[in-house]
Amino acid sequence: AQKITQTQPGMFVQEKEAVTLDCTYDTSDQSYGLFWYKQPSSGEMIFLIYQGSYDEQNATEGRYSLNFQKARKSANLVISASQLGDSAMYFCAMRVEETGNQFYFGTGTSLTVIP
Amino acid sequence: DTGVSQNPRHKITKRGQNVTFRCDPISEHNRLYWYRQTLGQGPEFLTYFQNEAQLEKSRLLSDRFSAERPKGSFSTLEIQRTEQGDSAMYLCASSLGGTGNKIRHEQYFGPGTRLTVT
Repeated sequence: AQKITQTQPGMFVQEKEAVTLDCTYDTSDQSYGLFWYKQPSSGEMIFLIYQGSYDEQNATEGRYSLNFQKARKSANLVISASQLGDSAMYFCAMRVEETGNQFYFGTGTSLTVIP
Repeated sequence: DTGVSQNPRHKITKRGQNVTFRCDPISEHNRLYWYRQTLGQGPEFLTYFQNEAQLEKSRLLSDRFSAERPKGSFSTLEIQRTEQGDSAMYLCASSLGGTGNKIRHEQYFGPGTRLTVT
């Protein structure tokens, strides 16, 4: 079975500080992709960053980086230099080759950036 | 605006009524997905189209739900005989096709349709 686990329902971070949002996953497939999405209060899911299971280097996209530890099955999102606009729900998701194209999402982490 | 669009944004209906939602994907994307999201949860997969073919359906998709993508462009999701448990945000997403482990398949989401069944 495929599963994404996000154990932090809520996180707080001081503006300009870095924060790590945790994500662990479970799959027996060797080929999969891991994604992070941001969902502001407006409701739209915004794609942030992608990590493929065969990628040897951790993904980075601007202030976002993904700490991929394959043996531990973790894919934590690191946001550097937090901004007030980063306050939102963050979802980790996985796509697995063997189950086609559906995404499996975690329950999300609510991030609040404190000025 | 070339993103994914959904209409309507909000729908309030009485139990037992039928509702239909529309999704217009990014024009060059041949894959289209429907998800349902309830409060405090991540999106749950409902169904997936590649062009006009509906290739996957979740067990969450009861026989009261039907989705179509008649010309491989926009899609509709219809819920018949709505129940209060159908109240949720219905999200549509699209992505490019392709095979191979270098393909990212990131999905781009629309703003969602929030359904309230009274």
